[in-house]
Amino acid sequence: KAGVTQTPRYLIKTRGQQVTLSCSPISGHRSVSWYQQTPGQGLQFLFEYFSETQRNKGNFPGRFSGRQFSNSRSEMNVSTLELGDSALYLCASSMTSGFSYNEQFFGPGTRLTVL
Amino acid sequence: QKEVEQDPGPLSVPEGAIVSLNCTYSNSAFQYFMWYRQYSRKGPELLMYTYSSGNKEDGRFTAQVDKSSKYISLFIRDSQPSDSATYLCAMRSAGGTSYGKLTFGQGTILTVHP
Repeated sequence: KAGVTQTPRYLIKTRGQQVTLSCSPISGHRSVSWYQQTPGQGLQFLFEYFSETQRNKGNFPGRFSGRQFSNSRSEMNVSTLELGDSALYLCASSMTSGFSYNEQFFGPGTRLTVL
Repeated sequence: QKEVEQDPGPLSVPEGAIVSLNCTYSNSAFQYFMWYRQYSRKGPELLMYTYSSGNKEDGRFTAQVDKSSKYISLFIRDSQPSDSATYLCAMRSAGGTSYGKLTFGQGTILTVHP
């Protein structure tokens, strides 16, 4: 079974630009969560999508947005990039979403560098 | 103050040593406790999952959760060079605000030298 895939793996942008990152979950998984990983803050939750609906959102500015398609693939977008947005962006998929625990499987991440 | 505190190390041990990794947390709503391992240039992979308080063992790995003290631990016995990685604790509460959200510690960098 193929794992979670993320494209592109590496990206270099300049301040003020926008960027779109893509995540394909494990086949059959309907929930996708996004995280930002930096040396200073560690892994921080951005948002979660399930059945094309955003179910939860972390404490990030509105420049960070996402969406999910009917095939469960997800994209996240960052507009007006800032230097502090340089990070590893990880997506994780799980079979479902809800109150109880659902194991999250992580992709390899997209390394974004903002110059 | 962060909801989950984890000593970032780095921790360096000889092969065969017993490794103890720990996290403390402040949110009493956390019900699900996980340990992830992350190798360089890879995403985190789940090692252990525990619900509420108690111990869980899987091969060389033992996870402990003490909710009364808000403290969780991961023990690695007979550590191997292949165990060299960053170890992340993660937690999740039950309820609507927890959908898809794991709260992570900073991660501890572990090196096991031959």
